[in-house]
Amino acid sequence: SQTIHQWPATLVQPVGSPLSLECTVEGTSNPNLYWYRQAAGRGLQLLFYSVGIGQISSEVPQNLSASRPQDRQFILSSKKLLLSDSGFYLCAWGGVRQETQYFGPGTRLLVL
Amino acid sequence: EDQVTQSPEALRLQEGESSSLNCSYTVSGLRGLFWYRQDPGKGPEFLFTLYSAGEEKEKERLKATLTKKESFLHITAPKPEDSATYLCAVLPQTGFQKLVFGTGTRLLVSP
Repeated sequence: SQTIHQWPATLVQPVGSPLSLECTVEGTSNPNLYWYRQAAGRGLQLLFYSVGIGQISSEVPQNLSASRPQDRQFILSSKKLLLSDSGFYLCAWGGVRQETQYFGPGTRLLVL
Repeated sequence: EDQVTQSPEALRLQEGESSSLNCSYTVSGLRGLFWYRQDPGKGPEFLFTLYSAGEEKEKERLKATLTKKESFLHITAPKPEDSATYLCAVLPQTGFQKLVFGTGTRLLVSP
């Protein structure tokens, strides 16, 4: 069966510091991968998606970036965090011909 | 613009008191409608996918239905462990597999 992991689970970072969040998927090959952000009282916002290694599409202009160095690894990064980057970050995967997306446990990021 | 509206924002039920959650959507062609359950501090857990009007899916005390404009999540004889936020999302026909989410309904079931 498929499993999706995210780490760290919680992160507190100062404004202006760098960020790296990691997501890995097990039990499937060539998945579509997604990064979402969930803010309190708002729906999930799609940030990035990837259909393959090195292929990244950005949905929202911001100071975040994403990379996919391996088939089942997806990384969310920032060079300098802003207060507004605080939130709950979720990674998800989906099959190439499958519409359903499955979510990881999430990373709670607090920027102070 | 594709949009999903969920109501009510919050719902409080007594154990055993059945009710329904609503998900209204406007989308340029529907490829699928999805229901997820989310517990506090955790990622959404997939419940159902519905593809066409008239379709129904069931899982334990939950039943999801779909019309051309909305979906309902019916909860029959709920238990306290059903307390969670329920999220609805749609996948439009056009474009890549980009889900459009509602803001969810927070359900609290009291014993």
